[in-house]
Amino acid sequence: GESVGLHLPTLSVQEGDNSIINCAYSNSASDYFIWYKQESGKGPQFIIDIRSNMDKRQGQRVTVLLNKTVKHLSLQIAATQPGDSAVYFCAEKRKDSSYKLIFGSGTRLLVRP
Amino acid sequence: DAGVIQSPRHEVTEMGQEVTLRCKPISGHNSLFWYRQTMMRGLELLIYFNNNVPIDDSGMPEDRFSAKMPNASFSTLKIQPSEPRDSAVYFCASSFRQLNSPLHFGNGTRLTVT
Repeated sequence: GESVGLHLPTLSVQEGDNSIINCAYSNSASDYFIWYKQESGKGPQFIIDIRSNMDKRQGQRVTVLLNKTVKHLSLQIAATQPGDSAVYFCAEKRKDSSYKLIFGSGTRLLVRP
Repeated sequence: DAGVIQSPRHEVTEMGQEVTLRCKPISGHNSLFWYRQTMMRGLELLIYFNNNVPIDDSGMPEDRFSAKMPNASFSTLKIQPSEPRDSAVYFCASSFRQLNSPLHFGNGTRLTVT
């Protein structure tokens, strides 16, 4: 898949460690947030979502945290595996739209064996 | 679940030629989106259909771009005539038309216009 931006932020972690990927969103009126994973040559893959009335949501090995005060979203991946290497995007939906997602610029996660 | 299916995976064409990209959304999904992804601009929404009707085409760059959805299981994005600056990866995505429903993306068509 395409990298977003010439200088995509990169996070390098050791296999087995936990990863934390951060995202600052732009609009305090956003009410829905999604994390996507994009591997090379593939489309963005849904990981986990969270609504604005929640602060935390957990999935399998992933946790999303939402801090509305500072407009910050994070994705935590437990026990990072080589298969987690990809570009991760956060996306926000604003209250005034029922469908339009605004995507962040992405973070590349590299897992060292 | 076969997921969103796009074709072709790769398309190389010469400037001025017509290009048609195809998409089959997930069965039962009634919302369909076309996105374009480039290194410089990231993921951009081109057009959104709901129940086969175009709702928002404000992201379509120029009149050279057109999209259709003749039925619930098929959509096309056409570029005529194509230009080198149209080179990008084009994604189709679908979802249920309900508030706060995630999009499911296909694997894209990588378009190169020479």
